[in-house]
Amino acid sequence: KQEVTQIPAALSVPEGENLVLNCSFTDSAIYNLQWFRQDPGKGLTSLLLIQSSQREQTSGRLNASLDKSSGRSTLYIAASQPGDSATYLCAVSSFGGGQGGKLIFGQGTELSVKP
Amino acid sequence: EAGVAQSPRYKIIEKRQSVAFWCNPISGHATLYWYQQILGQGPKLLIQFQNNGVVDDSQLPKDRFSAERLKGVDSTLKIQPAKLEDSAVYLCASKGSRGASTEAFFGQGTRLTVV
Repeated sequence: KQEVTQIPAALSVPEGENLVLNCSFTDSAIYNLQWFRQDPGKGLTSLLLIQSSQREQTSGRLNASLDKSSGRSTLYIAASQPGDSATYLCAVSSFGGGQGGKLIFGQGTELSVKP
Repeated sequence: EAGVAQSPRYKIIEKRQSVAFWCNPISGHATLYWYQQILGQGPKLLIQFQNNGVVDDSQLPKDRFSAERLKGVDSTLKIQPAKLEDSAVYLCASKGSRGASTEAFFGQGTRLTVV
């Protein structure tokens, strides 16, 4: 059974710092890994999608890496800003969910960037 | 293209009442997911559809929850009767027909409060 864990559960940093969020998963039989952002009271916004054959993806100040063999992914945020404050969730699309894949989430990391 | 639409955005009901949520996925998306997200936790998969067939409903409390996806497009999730512990955000997501390696898109969610 696939399990996804995110560490830390909460993180507070001063503005301008570079930071890393961690995601680990127990079963390497995945199609891809997706990072999401969730603002309070809102739905999930997709940030980055990494296919199982890829090592990393970049979008602006965000860089996500994937090491499928060790079951780990990291989300690197450069030069953090107060507007980055949100909960960050990772999800893996695992084998066993039919044609669409089974989408399993971690618990999330709540990020607070202080001005 | 239009995103995943969910309604209502908010719902307050008394325990033992019934409630229904509606989801309209992105046009042409074959895979549809319903998730339950309790405050402070990651989303938990309730049910996954592939077109109008159920792929996974192993975590759906079938004594009170039901879901359908008529004609492989819109979907409804119903709770009857509701319990206090059903208070959560209910999220709907969809994926395209190219399968498990595609990106998942989420709606804004329905926040349910059971009093």
